[in-house]
Amino acid sequence: DVKVTQSSRYLVKRTGEKVFLECVQDMDHENMFWYRQDPGLGLRLIYFSYDVKMKEKGDIPEGYSVSREKKERFSLILESASTNQTSMYLCASTENPGVTDTQYFGPGTRLTVL
Amino acid sequence: DAKTTQPNSMESNEEEPVHLPCNHSTISGTDYIHWYRQLPSQGPEYVIHGLTSNVNNRMASLAIAEDRKSSTLILHRATLRDAAVYYCILIGRDDKIIFGKGTRLHILP
Repeated sequence: DVKVTQSSRYLVKRTGEKVFLECVQDMDHENMFWYRQDPGLGLRLIYFSYDVKMKEKGDIPEGYSVSREKKERFSLILESASTNQTSMYLCASTENPGVTDTQYFGPGTRLTVL
Repeated sequence: DAKTTQPNSMESNEEEPVHLPCNHSTISGTDYIHWYRQLPSQGPEYVIHGLTSNVNNRMASLAIAEDRKSSTLILHRATLRDAAVYYCILIGRDDKIIFGKGTRLHILP
């Protein structure tokens, strides 16, 4: 069975802290994605990666960076967390870049920045 | 901006069919129509996708209008476990996936 795991379900951090959100997939997928989900706004793409050490900005990359040192792991980094980054963060992966490919999502990390 | 328009919410009775509409009037010829759903406290999960022809799988059916400007996700017999937010998404050659706000489906026992 396909599996995408995220390091934490719930996380509470303080303003200004550096935050790491980890995502791991066990399907040998090429592509990985980070979204945030906010009430009334749906899912918005932050960053994605089509290969190791490769990254592309999504729709809302400001305030975030990513790292993909290994194929199975895609990390989202908040260099200096702010309260407006309180959100649900979702990681996803797909096998191939393509219009018919299925996205597999992790369970999400609910981050609260105080 | 999302390229699809869906009702904010819908209600249906348990064990009855549910038809979830989606408008995508600006769809291009190479865009595929995908549906995902998100159960409470979970990440979204794939439901079905199609290009031009109607599609069926074990979860649902997808009916696509002849001009492809709209589609309908059909749950043949809704259960309480189908209560979720349903997202209709267009995925094209640029691979950018834009989720809209979706339709929150309530199932009444």
